[in-house]
Amino acid sequence: SQQGEEDPQALSIQEGENATMNCSYKTSINNLQWYRQNSGRGLVHLILIRSNEREKHSGRLRVTLDTSKKSSSLLITASRAADTASYFCATDAEDSNYQLIWGAGTKLIIKP
Amino acid sequence: NAGVTQTPKFRVLKTGQSMTLLCAQDMNHEYMYWYRQDPGMGLRLIHYSVGEGTTAKGEVPDGYNVSRLKKQNFLLGLESAAPSQTSVYFCASSRQGPLPLNEQFFGPGTRLTVL
Repeated sequence: SQQGEEDPQALSIQEGENATMNCSYKTSINNLQWYRQNSGRGLVHLILIRSNEREKHSGRLRVTLDTSKKSSSLLITASRAADTASYFCATDAEDSNYQLIWGAGTKLIIKP
Repeated sequence: NAGVTQTPKFRVLKTGQSMTLLCAQDMNHEYMYWYRQDPGMGLRLIHYSVGEGTTAKGEVPDGYNVSRLKKQNFLLGLESAAPSQTSVYFCASSRQGPLPLNEQFFGPGTRLTVL
């Protein structure tokens, strides 16, 4: 069963604009991770935020976590064509038994 | 460092045939995972291993077997392939100490088609 659900399923924006993706989950978590997948490739880890953190930055990425709403958002600022990819959230639930639970992903297209 | 490698990259099987997918990592990671990814869906965990000689079932283990005889290798076997096993298979590994779980490093994937 999927723990995380990303919203929107697909997002198309102009280069230079900001992109925001959301992830909702169902149970209490230890941490939440965001990954990127370029077409036909493996996933690449972007950022990890722990349950006691509210915001984290990495370069042009900003992740927020609201445990009361069981949701997270990933903001990519000043988007570039190279940001075109699918983005997945994955949660390490407190009762996960060593498993990450993955959402279905948001497909982001950056138009030049 | 090669990271996580998978062989083969592509494979076409007929129903009932068997095959083994090989995953290798050179990062001395304890944990290794096999996932499948189907169109429009996230990853689903097939089996995982928390150390050499150990394996455990994930969310969708039926029809698959695994072995972790060496720390760096994690093998995924399909004994009798079915069309429902057509998918892209990803291997991942992670350095792990006390929980919670750390980031995972992924291989490039194996695209399997079962006719």
